[in-house]
Amino acid sequence: AQSVTQLGSHVSVSEGALVLLRCNYSSSVPPYLFWYVQYPNQGLQLLLKYTTGATLVKGINGFEAEFKKSETSFHLTKPSAHMSDAAEYFCAVSAVNQGGKLIFGQGTELSVKP
Amino acid sequence: EPEVTQTPSHQVTQMGQEVILRCVPISNHLYFYWYRQILGQKVEFLVSFYNNEISEKSEIFDDQFSVERPDGSNFTLKIRSTKLEDSAMYFCASSEFGRVDGQPQHFGDGTRLSIL
Repeated sequence: AQSVTQLGSHVSVSEGALVLLRCNYSSSVPPYLFWYVQYPNQGLQLLLKYTTGATLVKGINGFEAEFKKSETSFHLTKPSAHMSDAAEYFCAVSAVNQGGKLIFGQGTELSVKP
Repeated sequence: EPEVTQTPSHQVTQMGQEVILRCVPISNHLYFYWYRQILGQKVEFLVSFYNNEISEKSEIFDDQFSVERPDGSNFTLKIRSTKLEDSAMYFCASSEFGRVDGQPQHFGDGTRLSIL
């Protein structure tokens, strides 16, 4: 069965600092991987996804993630944090031939200090 | 940009009562989903729906739950007899192609269901 683990339920960075949010997955087959962001009182917004091809994927708002099969990881990064990046971030996996079902990690709350 | 809309944003219901949560998916999307998030916990898959039938459901989605697409635009989740543990944020999502795996799902803002 597929699962997703996000290391660190809370991450705090200073404005302008590197953002690194960690995600590891387990899957018996190559999965499709997603990062979603949730701002307070809003739904989940897609940041980026990996399906096939280039392992470094770029998303919205300057975020990117790299799929590393050998490490079963899909960490999310942004070179320079902005105050508006403060939100909850969810990593998710969608296994092949499961009707698009998403399995989410527990989420990481990102705080950005001025 | 088209979006998924959910109503109501907050529903308060007495335990044992029936509740219907409503969603309007993006108009050209064919696959519909419900997820829930209990406070402080993960977002959990409940059910996926395509071509007027359930594609897949989780163990959470027992006989108390049902989904329906009553017309060309709405997608509903019904809980027949609510329990305290049904209190959660319920998210509706839709995607253009579900069987083509890896299609992104677009989420609504959620309905917060509070069972008293």
